[in-house]
Amino acid sequence: NAGVTQTPKFQVLKTGQSMTLQCAQDMNHEYMSWYRQDPGMGLRLIHYSVGAGITDQGEVPNGYNVSRSTTEDFPLRLLSAAPSQTSVYFCASSYRTEHYNEQFFGPGTRLTVL
Amino acid sequence: AQKVTQAQTEISVVEKEDVTLDCVYETRDTTYYLFWYKQPPSGELVFLIRRNSFDEQNEISGRYSWNFQKSTSSFNFTITASQVVDSAVYFCALSGLNTGGFKTIFGAGTRLFVKA
Repeated sequence: NAGVTQTPKFQVLKTGQSMTLQCAQDMNHEYMSWYRQDPGMGLRLIHYSVGAGITDQGEVPNGYNVSRSTTEDFPLRLLSAAPSQTSVYFCASSYRTEHYNEQFFGPGTRLTVL
Repeated sequence: AQKVTQAQTEISVVEKEDVTLDCVYETRDTTYYLFWYKQPPSGELVFLIRRNSFDEQNEISGRYSWNFQKSTSSFNFTITASQVVDSAVYFCALSGLNTGGFKTIFGAGTRLFVKA
């Protein structure tokens, strides 16, 4: 199992450019989430999905779009990048039981917006 | 609204000292889950423990122990006889059953430095 994979690992964008951060998991997990990590602020939830075709907003959704067409993939789209979106982005997945279970995280994508 | 507070931004100890990382949470959910994750200098996030709100038993795993107290809304993490490899950022997190689905809120993290 590869677990949760993210591409790219590093990215530099100019203000106004768009891009998609890719996330895939091979564990057949129903739940997937995107977080951003900024110094001193922990991880903040951007968007999450409880299954294919179902997504919802987290704490900081503005400027980001997501879709979930398959169980495996959960891409995060930046439509018009801004310097405030400079951050480390983590994708995570979790399996569904009657409890909320731990999340498995990808290695992260370090994004710089100039 | 849910909130997780880790008041200790950074802690520095000498190897073999015991250290406790504090976590205080707020939630209106009657059923919720608490987690601790470790982020070593390499950057990945590693799951350490999950505790359900209806199970207040404390847990010990090797040098790690966790003290869950609903009365004070705290879920503290103690490392006994710390080692240099324990140097990392530690995050406390909270998931609530009644907050509309799968949402996990993280604290700001505590950076632990263990000096040899």
